[in-house]
Formats: sequence, structure tokens, C-alpha cells
Amino acid sequence: QLQLQESGPGLVEPSETLSLMCSVSGGSISDSSSYWGWIRQPPGRGLEWIGSIFYTGRTYYSPSLKSRVTISVDTSKNRFSLKLSSVTAADTAVYYCARLGPYFRSIDFWGQGTLVTVSS
Amino acid sequence: QSALTQPASVSGSPGQSITISCTGTNSDVGGYDYVSWYKQHPGKAPKVMIYDVSNRPSGVSNRFSGSKSGNTASLTISGLQAEDEADYYCSSYTRGSTLVFGGGTKLTVL
Repeated sequence: QLQLQESGPGLVEPSETLSLMCSVSGGSISDSSSYWGWIRQPPGRGLEWIGSIFYTGRTYYSPSLKSRVTISVDTSKNRFSLKLSSVTAADTAVYYCARLGPYFRSIDFWGQGTLVTVSS
Repeated sequence: QSALTQPASVSGSPGQSITISCTGTNSDVGGYDYVSWYKQHPGKAPKVMIYDVSNRPSGVSNRFSGSKSGNTASLTISGLQAEDEADYYCSSYTRGSTLVFGGGTKLTVL
């Protein structure tokens, strides 16, 4: 059974860079039918797709976050990462890492989510 | 890209059927058969209930069904049960090779 686990600081200061890692177990991140992504959910609000990556390093980003987002993959360690720069309080959210199918048609495995608060 | 449009809330009594709509554009919902529906309980990760408009993953009850007409997709839950009470989100692949979610619908079982 595929499992994903987010890790990273729970508190980030305004204007700094938010960095999270997602470790994948129970399967290979190099699976050619899988895309890997980040989704966030501000407290009490809806889901927002941040971006996705294929194991080759090809990335797809939300237009609204593209200028601040970098997603990368480390196939040797079976993990992928998120960096979001110049954060503000509006970036406070639960961040989920997940596995997506081709055309992002199904998000079938999710991490448990990690709350990141932006505050000084 | 704008979020897909869902009603903020729907409700129904046990045993009844409800339908949640998800309206987009011809650049997302109307342009691709890659609409999915997710169920989320408070404090938990979402769970996929429908993918590719109308396909159910293994283990999902056949009380859940999906459809699409034009730029609007729909999730129907028949034989409503207390355990169906949750937030529901739709999503769609888009022309720009991105993913967009709906704003979410809170389902209350009366």
C-alpha cells in the first residue's frame, strides 16, 4: 500500500520560504503512471492545487502560485519537495502531498497533511 | 484559472437522493472527461469517490454516481446515509495542463 508522509517546519515567518518534503513508501516515485503533487487547504476553506511533478522532473504549477513555487523530485530517495517563497499569512494552510494519475484524473493516495502557519 | 462553482451546501434526509453540481468552462469540465469527486471529513485527508466523470474506485459504494453535461458535472448520492455527511469537492483537468478544484459543498444529512 502506497504511503506518503509530509515533513517540514510548522511555523514560517512572513517573507521567508516555506519548505516541505514528501516521502513516498510502498511504491516507486519513478512509476510511469504516477504524478506527484501538493494540495493545500487554508483553515475552514477549500482545497487548492499548488502543483505537480513527474519523476522525470517535468513540473506543472498553478498559475496563481507559479511565480513563487518550486517542486522538485529526488528519485534516489523516493521523495519530492515543495518550496513556496515570499510567504504571507494567506499561505497558512494544511499542506497535503499526494499521488495523482495521468491528467490528474484521480488523487488516490494522500499524505495525512501538515499544518504550516505563517507568523512572526 | 477560476475555481469550479459548487453550491455551498446541500441537505437531505436518510434514504433520499441528492445531487451536487460542479460548473466550469469549456477549458476544464466541458473540455475533458477528467472530472473527479472527493469526500472529506473534518481534519482528514480527502478520499476520491468518482474519477473520469463517472468511474468509481474499488471499494466506493455504488450509491455514488457521477455524470456530466456540457460544462457542468454532477455527483449523485442515492439512499443517503448519516455517514455521507461530509464536504465534497470536484476537480477537473484544464487546458493549461493544470488542476482546478471546486469551492466545496457541505452535505448535511437531516
